[in-house]
Amino acid sequence: RKEVEQDPGPFNVPEGATVAFNCTYSNSASQSFFWYRQDCRKEPKLLMSVYSSGNEDGRFTAQLNRASQYISLLIRDSKLSDSATYLCAVKILSNTGNQFYFGTGTSLTVIP
Amino acid sequence: DAGVTQSPTHLIKTRGQHVTLRCSPISGHKSVSWYQQVLGQGPQFIFQYYEKEERGRGNFPDRFSARQFPNYSSELNVNALLLGDSALYLCASSSIGIGSYNEQFFGPGTRLTVL
Repeated sequence: RKEVEQDPGPFNVPEGATVAFNCTYSNSASQSFFWYRQDCRKEPKLLMSVYSSGNEDGRFTAQLNRASQYISLLIRDSKLSDSATYLCAVKILSNTGNQFYFGTGTSLTVIP
Repeated sequence: DAGVTQSPTHLIKTRGQHVTLRCSPISGHKSVSWYQQVLGQGPQFIFQYYEKEERGRGNFPDRFSARQFPNYSSELNVNALLLGDSALYLCASSSIGIGSYNEQFFGPGTRLTVL
């Protein structure tokens, strides 16, 4: 079983729509959670960390549900520029040190 | 401020050769992590270094090794290259190597092609 699983999509949504991505993780020892955005043939860029109480940054809202072991990202009022692949990531501290796991990414295309 | 820098940007090697990839973290950051990203997949964690010590290792063979220098830059070495090593190699830097929120910032990557 993969440590982190995401629906690969693709998600095609009209401008102005609200879209939500979920990501599940398998290791209950996961400590830290992140969403990254990756444009085609570019490096991932940190979008936001995901805190236990949930957090918001403009049109973006991230939630963490430890009981069900998933994190979510909500994008409101989608813009054309939001088209990208969204990657979730978790950090686990094991007896061999830090381990970082990324999902395969969810592709979003915002349509005019 | 300069972000994470990596060199070279592109590299072509043949099977069996050795490759060294380099990374300079964001100024003030002491932790560097290395990832391999194959097309269509998320980054796969290879190593994390903090204060010149290995702090984490992913599930990669011993052909992969790395080190961190006193100035916090890092090298990733891959020996006996295989076709399957063709990928984008990403370096990420963070200000801390321990603790909960290791927010990592990626460099542009080195695209390695093995023929």
